[in-house]
Amino acid sequence: ETGVTQTPRHLVMGMTNKKSLKCEQHLGHNAMYWYKQSAKKPLELMFVYSLEERVENNSVPSRFSPECPNSSHLFLHLHTLQPEDSALYLCASSQEVRETQYFGPGTRLLVL
Amino acid sequence: AQSVSQHNHHVILSEAASLELGCNYSYGGTVNLFWYVQYPGQHLQLLLKYFSGDPLVKGIKGFEAEFIKSKFSFNLRKPSVQWSDTAEYFCAVKPKGGGNKLTFGTGTQLKVEL
Repeated sequence: ETGVTQTPRHLVMGMTNKKSLKCEQHLGHNAMYWYKQSAKKPLELMFVYSLEERVENNSVPSRFSPECPNSSHLFLHLHTLQPEDSALYLCASSQEVRETQYFGPGTRLLVL
Repeated sequence: AQSVSQHNHHVILSEAASLELGCNYSYGGTVNLFWYVQYPGQHLQLLLKYFSGDPLVKGIKGFEAEFIKSKFSFNLRKPSVQWSDTAEYFCAVKPKGGGNKLTFGTGTQLKVEL
C-alpha cells in the first residue's frame, strides 16, 4: 500500500533542533490529517486540513507547526520539542473530511 | 464529545480459535464506525466500516463486525484466527453529518500462537 507515504520513517532529534516531517498522498484526496500515537494511549488527532486550509487544531502546542502547500502534501514542522513528544506521528488522508481515512506508515520520533 | 472503549488490551489465542474484540462508544447522535488493524511494522489499515444499512459488516481477511445500536457496540469477530492475524486492532468512531474528528480506542493487541 503506497497511497500515503511519510518521510522520514525514523527521526532522532535534540530538544533544540528543528526538523520537519513530510507526508504525501497519491490518492487524489483533498483532506489530510496529523495524528500522534503514544504508547498505551489512543491515537490523538492533531490537525486537519481540507482543501489546503486548516480546519481543526486540537489544542496542539505551538512547537508543532503544520503546513499544507497543496492537497497532496502535508508537513509537520518541529521546533524545541520535549522528550514527552516522542511518539509515532501518523499522517492520513480522505476524499472529504467526512470520508474514510487512509493512513501512512508513520514517523517514529525520539526526542532526546 | 465522543469516546471509544476497548476493554480487552491484550488477547492471546491459539490458531483456529474464534475471536471477538469488544468496542463500545459513547455519543448522543448517529455515527460511522470503523475497525483499523496495524500489523507489526506496518501502517494502520482499514479492516471494515459501517455507515448505514445491514448492521453486520464484512471486511477483509474474514473479519466481520456487528453494530448493535442499543448497546452502542461494534464488536469485531472472526470465526477462526490465523497466526498472521497477530496485530493491534483499533476501533474508531466519527459523528455523522459534521465534524472532522475520528476518535480511536486505545487498541487491542492480539497475539495468535501456533
